[in-house]
Amino acid sequence: GDSVTQMEGPVTLSEEAFLTINCTYTATGYPSLFWYVQYPGEGLQLLLKATKADDKGSNKGFEATYRKETTSFHLEKGSVQVSDSAVYFCALSDSYGGSQGNLIFGKGTKLSVKP
Amino acid sequence: DTEVTQTPKHLVMGMTNKKSLKCEQHMGHRAMYWYKQKAKKPPELMFVYSYEKLSINESVPSRFSPECPNSSLLNLHLHALQPEDSALYLCASSPSNYGYTFGSGTRLTVV
Repeated sequence: GDSVTQMEGPVTLSEEAFLTINCTYTATGYPSLFWYVQYPGEGLQLLLKATKADDKGSNKGFEATYRKETTSFHLEKGSVQVSDSAVYFCALSDSYGGSQGNLIFGKGTKLSVKP
Repeated sequence: DTEVTQTPKHLVMGMTNKKSLKCEQHMGHRAMYWYKQKAKKPPELMFVYSYEKLSINESVPSRFSPECPNSSLLNLHLHALQPEDSALYLCASSPSNYGYTFGSGTRLTVV
């Protein structure tokens, strides 16, 4: 079945460091790919998305490119801030013939940014 | 209105209690979802409603009973829960594959 694998955490960085969180997927259809962020004690917020190969999603300085050849959707940010400390989930949603797909999540990566 | 609103934010209930979680959205989304999230784990899908009809039940115990009274509302009725059911319960809605909007969740503690 469809699945998402993302790098194990926790990841600890100093402020202004470069961030990469790796995410790869397995899917039989044509998935849409997402990154969600969960701040402590809160629900999930959509960070960015990409719906087809070579699309680049971006938001708040974060970006990720849908790479079909490597089945990857790695999250990057050039300069992290303390306020970026959160858990990041990579997810996919597959669809068959236009029907509604359901979200399949990776295990999550906890990011801690130190001042 | 671009939000999914969940109430209550926190709930403590005994194992013999009956309670309900409520979820509301006014974005015209026709798919609505209940997820359960344990600490340090990703959300797990429980139920999916599509056009107000239950389309997916991920083998959830009958002590959890979903209800979709109309296209904007989703309820989760709880009865005879166990302590291991303590978790964050998340509601989400979606118009398509292009993004799910989550609520902030109800943190449930069963004592």
